[in-house]
Amino acid sequence: GENVEQHPSTLSVQEGDSAVIKCTYSDSASNYFPWYKQELGKGPQLIIDIRSNVGEKKDQRIAVTLNKTAKHFSLHITETQPEDSAVYFCAAPPLGGKLIFGQGTELSVKP
Amino acid sequence: DTAVSQTPKYLVTQMGNDKSIKCEQNLGHDTMYWYKQDSKKFLKIMFSYNNKELIINETVPNRFSPKSPDKAHLNLHINSLELGDSAVYFCASSQRSGANVLTFGAGSRLTVL
Repeated sequence: GENVEQHPSTLSVQEGDSAVIKCTYSDSASNYFPWYKQELGKGPQLIIDIRSNVGEKKDQRIAVTLNKTAKHFSLHITETQPEDSAVYFCAAPPLGGKLIFGQGTELSVKP
Repeated sequence: DTAVSQTPKYLVTQMGNDKSIKCEQNLGHDTMYWYKQDSKKFLKIMFSYNNKELIINETVPNRFSPKSPDKAHLNLHINSLELGDSAVYFCASSQRSGANVLTFGAGSRLTVL
């Protein structure tokens, strides 16, 4: 079955710096890779996703890149702001209906 | 309007008690889920219902019993609560089974003393 590994588990950056979170997956048939952001006291929310026919996707300050050969995908946040502080989860496509989440990365942006 | 709403938001109870968490979605989605988030933030699926039918039942103690009276509601009843049940429980929904985009509720924090 699918296995998703996410690193790092915690990340602390200065405001204005970039942050990168990486995930690896095991099932080469996987074709959809979402990223969720969980703010304190709230549920996870989809922020960006990418399909396997695309190598990169950008939405303002966030971008996701995909390397299908190496079976990893990354979330890039540029010009970080304090409101980017949250827990970020990558996920792999539903396996039998189950979306498999990575272990989460707690991002802290220091002003 | 809240898309996925769950109640209560906080629940503090004694070991051995029985408690329920309720969830409702107004998105018209066919599929609903319960996820458990432990103290290390790990999100693990527990159950999934599609149009009131159970389609995913992970290795969860049978003290946990989900119920879906209609496709807009999914409740979670927990019997004989144990300390290890303390966690945040998230309800989520998706347009259909196997759909990639999940919409989560705000979570219900259960503390068992």
